[in-house]
Amino acid sequence: EIVLTQSPATLSLSPGERATLSCRASQSISRYLAWYQQKPGQAPRLIIYDVSNRATGIPARFSGSGSGTDFTLTISSLEPEDFAVYYCQQRNNWPKITFGQGTRLEIK
Amino acid sequence: EVQLVQSGAEVKKPGESLKISCKGSGYSFTNYWIGWVRQMPAKGLEWMGTIYPGDSDTRYSPSFQGQVTISADKSITTAYLQWSSLKASDTAMYYCARLGYSGNDAAQFDYWGQGSLVTVSS
Repeated sequence: EIVLTQSPATLSLSPGERATLSCRASQSISRYLAWYQQKPGQAPRLIIYDVSNRATGIPARFSGSGSGTDFTLTISSLEPEDFAVYYCQQRNNWPKITFGQGTRLEIK
Repeated sequence: EVQLVQSGAEVKKPGESLKISCKGSGYSFTNYWIGWVRQMPAKGLEWMGTIYPGDSDTRYSPSFQGQVTISADKSITTAYLQWSSLKASDTAMYYCARLGYSGNDAAQFDYWGQGSLVTVSS
C-alpha cells in the first residue's frame, strides 16, 4: 500500500501570504496525484489532478508540482476563502486508492 | 450538469442494517467508477471501495472488505453502500464520488455527493 504523508499538519498564515503544502509518498508515484480542498460542513472539492492540472473553475493561484515521492500544493497569495483542510490522494496501485491525513490551513 | 445526490441522515442502533444511496445524473452513469469515502468525526478521508456500474465490477479497500457491501443499479443510475450489522464505530459521514479519467485511467474524484451522515447509537 502506498502511504501518503502530508506536512505540516497545521499551517498558520495570513491572507496574501504564500502557502506551501507537502505530500510525500512511501514509494514512487508516476502521475496520479490529486489535491482536494474541504471546508467545514462541505464535501471535498477537487483542485489539482495529475500532479499539476487545475480542475475546472480553480483559480490560477493554486498550483501543483512534484515527481517521484515528493509533491507540493502551492497557493501563491492566500485569499480568505482558501483557509480549509487540504488532502492529497493517489491511485497509482489500482484499484487501491489512498488519501493523505490532511493539512489544516488556518488564519494566523 | 454532473450531480451526485445522496440519501439523507440516518440514526440507527447497533446491530441494525442500513443501505444508503447515491444517485448520479448529468453524465453517462455506466462509464465512470463511483467510489465511497468515509470521514469519521473530525478525521480525514478514507477510501472504502469503488464500483463500475457498467458491469458492477467492485473493488474494496482491505480495511472495509467484508464490513460493507457496495452495489449499483444502472437502470436508476444509483449506487449503494450497505451494512448488515452496524457498530457504533460506523458513525461517520459517508461520501460518494465519481472517479474522473486521466487518459484511460480512473484517477481522481472529480464530483462528490453532499454526504450522508450515519449515526449509530444505542
